[in-house]
Amino acid sequence: GQNIDQPTEMTATEGAIVQINCTYQTSGFNGLFWYQQHAGEAPTFLSYNVLDGLEEKGRFSSFLSRSKGYSYLLLKELQMKDSASYLCAVRDGDYKLSFGAGTTVTVRA
Amino acid sequence: IAGITQAPTSQILAAGRRMTLRCTQDMRHNAMYWYRQDLGLGLRLIHYSNTAGTTGKGEVPDGYSVSRANTDDFPLTLASAVPSQTSVYFCASSEGSSGTDTQYFGPGTRLTVL
Repeated sequence: GQNIDQPTEMTATEGAIVQINCTYQTSGFNGLFWYQQHAGEAPTFLSYNVLDGLEEKGRFSSFLSRSKGYSYLLLKELQMKDSASYLCAVRDGDYKLSFGAGTTVTVRA
Repeated sequence: IAGITQAPTSQILAAGRRMTLRCTQDMRHNAMYWYRQDLGLGLRLIHYSNTAGTTGKGEVPDGYSVSRANTDDFPLTLASAVPSQTSVYFCASSEGSSGTDTQYFGPGTRLTVL
């Protein structure tokens, strides 16, 4: 089976930086995804990493270390609209996505 | 606007009843998926289809069935609903090609089985 761990909740102040960690143990590896999900809505794609290193996309960056089974999502210049759940998902050797339980980020003024 | 639609938006169902959740995409994606999302457990794959005419079992397939008669539609059927099937159900689709193959999600169906 797959094992994907991420913190349950995080709180940060508007304008600050928050780092959401994700560790995984899966049968094979074919990429790691981060999704954002606002309450009551569908998950939406944020980022994809398949090689080690940092991928930057505006205020959001995602990092991957395959040897450590570790990724993080970095949210910079936090805005109130960034309050949401962030889902880490790993695509395994069978090309199926396994999701972590999600990290709920609350941004306070 | 292209995307994925699901119906119904929400449903309350008596235990033992049969229910079909509908999913339609207009992006001509080859692959489609059904997930359920429960508090504290994250999204879990129920069934998937890599291309029209084929289906496969995911992590939690028991009590559910799917069909893929064409590219656009991927209905999920609960033959005899039980309270443990109370959940939010998301349909997703992807191109099904190599590389990123990002999955795009529908708006979800909130199902309550009493």
